[in-house]
Amino acid sequence: DAKTTQPPSMDCAEGRAANLPCNHSTISGNEYVYWYRQIHSQGPQYIIHGLKNNETNEMASLIITEDRKSSTLILPHATLRDTAVYYCIVRGISNFGNEKLTFGTGTRLTIIP
Amino acid sequence: GAGVSQSPSNKVTEKGKDVELRCDPISGHTALYWYRQSLGQGLEFLIYFQGNSAPDKSGLPSDRFSAERTGGSVSTLTIQRTQQEDSAVYLCASSPDWTSYEQYFGPGTRLTVT
Repeated sequence: DAKTTQPPSMDCAEGRAANLPCNHSTISGNEYVYWYRQIHSQGPQYIIHGLKNNETNEMASLIITEDRKSSTLILPHATLRDTAVYYCIVRGISNFGNEKLTFGTGTRLTIIP
Repeated sequence: GAGVSQSPSNKVTEKGKDVELRCDPISGHTALYWYRQSLGQGLEFLIYFQGNSAPDKSGLPSDRFSAERTGGSVSTLTIQRTQQEDSAVYLCASSPDWTSYEQYFGPGTRLTVT
């Protein structure tokens, strides 16, 4: 009953843009798309989130399709330190309390020198 | 069974005071995570414990923040000399171990620094 699907792994050349897709075809109207990443043995790191408009911050850009059934996380200039597992999560904005958050298997992104 | 519990549920404190936030994880869960969530923002990772050790403290915003876990169970997050920007909901989560995909969250502690 996974709410999101992501490819298990991707490679990207250092300095190029990394584009990580996520499908969330059952997303409901009040649910946001969140992206986190986890570098080995570290805690999850928040990257970005959005509802329906494209979003950009200092780390990444988030492109959400008009029907909101899929999104793409873009790391504009990937560095070796961006090697991590990237998780796409669909949640309500204020629903973290008393909830179970499933990170799923994510996409293992490897940046190639 | 019992879920993750946190106390207090709400805390209002004056700027400059110290606060302690408590988390009781699900029994048997060896991994424990602290996050905070400001209004309209995503979860901000603070620190996690595997057993009593904290492999990753990188999310602690400043040296005013510290956390400990004893006996592999209860954890305390301490904020010294609180500032207004510390106001947020502080969430604790636990999972069977740090490699688990699922984290079970407590209800959170809403901290307001006046």
